[in-house]
Amino acid sequence: AQSVAQPEDQVNVAEGNPLTVKCTYSVSGNPYLFWYVQYPNRGLQFLLKYITGDNLVKGSYGFEAEFNKSQTSFHLKKPSALVSDSALYFCAVSKTNAGKSTFGDGTTLTVKP
Amino acid sequence: NAGVTQTPKFQVLKTGQSMTLQCAQDMNHNSMYWYRQDPGMGLRLIYYSASEGTTDKGEVPNGYNVSRLNKREFSLRLESAAPSQTSVYFCATAFVSVEQPQHFGDGTRLSIL
Repeated sequence: AQSVAQPEDQVNVAEGNPLTVKCTYSVSGNPYLFWYVQYPNRGLQFLLKYITGDNLVKGSYGFEAEFNKSQTSFHLKKPSALVSDSALYFCAVSKTNAGKSTFGDGTTLTVKP
Repeated sequence: NAGVTQTPKFQVLKTGQSMTLQCAQDMNHNSMYWYRQDPGMGLRLIYYSASEGTTDKGEVPNGYNVSRLNKREFSLRLESAAPSQTSVYFCATAFVSVEQPQHFGDGTRLSIL
């Protein structure tokens, strides 16, 4: 069985500071990892994915994520947070690049001016 | 979200009633998905359709049926609604079946009394 843990329900950062949203996973074999963002009353938006290759993946809106196989983690990062980054963030894992993925419970990011 | 349209946006049903949630996309994507999102939880996959003419069960298919009517449309049917199916339902698409969903509709908020 595959699973995802987002250990923090809430992350608060000041605008201009770096942000990290944590994700750890469990899956047999090589993982496919994804980050999504959800704004209030909207559907999810895809941010980035890790399939293979470089451990540092760059995505939309200046976000990046670092894959760490030994720690089974895929943390989302941004060097300088914006107030507009405030949203709900979901990590997801899959055994393949398609079909059945498992989502974490989400982390609410609040960026204060 | 441009490209994936869900109808209706809101619906209230009584236990035992039936209803069909509609999803249409204009991006010529091959794969379509139905998810449910419950408070404090990530998305759970109900059914997906890798391509026109095919459907597969996801993580929580019980109590639901789907129809991939054509390449554009993927409907989700509740034959006999139960209070446990109160949720927000999201339709999503991907260009090819080997991709995770990248485009989501804005959701249908369904309450079952």
